[in-house]
Amino acid sequence: KQEVTQIPAALSVPEGENLVLNCSFTDSAIYNLQWFRQDPGKGLTSLLLIQSSQREQTSGRLNASLDKSSGRSTLYIAASQPGDSATYLCAVRPSDYGQNFVFGPGTRLSVLP
Amino acid sequence: GAGVSQTPSNKVTEKGKYVELRCDPISGHTALYWYRQSLGQGPEFLIYFQGTGAADDSGLPNDRFFAVRPEGSVSTLKIQRTERGDSAVYLCASSLEGNSPLHFGNGTRLTVT
Repeated sequence: KQEVTQIPAALSVPEGENLVLNCSFTDSAIYNLQWFRQDPGKGLTSLLLIQSSQREQTSGRLNASLDKSSGRSTLYIAASQPGDSATYLCAVRPSDYGQNFVFGPGTRLSVLP
Repeated sequence: GAGVSQTPSNKVTEKGKYVELRCDPISGHTALYWYRQSLGQGPEFLIYFQGTGAADDSGLPNDRFFAVRPEGSVSTLKIQRTERGDSAVYLCASSLEGNSPLHFGNGTRLTVT
């Protein structure tokens, strides 16, 4: 059974810092991995989707990498801003368990002005 | 265009009652998912529709939970004989096809008293 973990559970950084969020999964047989952001009381907003054949994806100040063989993904946020404060979740689509995504518990990020 | 719409945004019901939660996906999206999220945790998969049919309902916790998508667009999640443990945020997501990014609604916060 696929399990997804995220470290750290919470992170607080001063504005302007570059930071890395980590995601680990137990079964390397995946179709893709997606990073989301969730603001309090809201649904999830898709940030980046990495297919299993890809190594990384970039969107603006965000860069997500995927190392499928080691079961890891990282989300790099450059020049963090207070507006980046949110919970960041990663989710993997296992290749043998239907079409559902398996989510990690998230990392709660606070960027201090 | 419009995103995924979920109604109601909040629902308070008494233990033992029946509730229906509605999801209106993005137009043209064939895949529709229901997830449940408890405080401080990542979303937990419930059921996945491809078109009108439930392609994977392995996440439904028991037979009190049922979901339909009769015309391949709007979906309704139905919970019978609600229990206090059913209290959570119920999230709906849709995607263009099975391997595309997920787009989430803002969720329905269900409270069973």
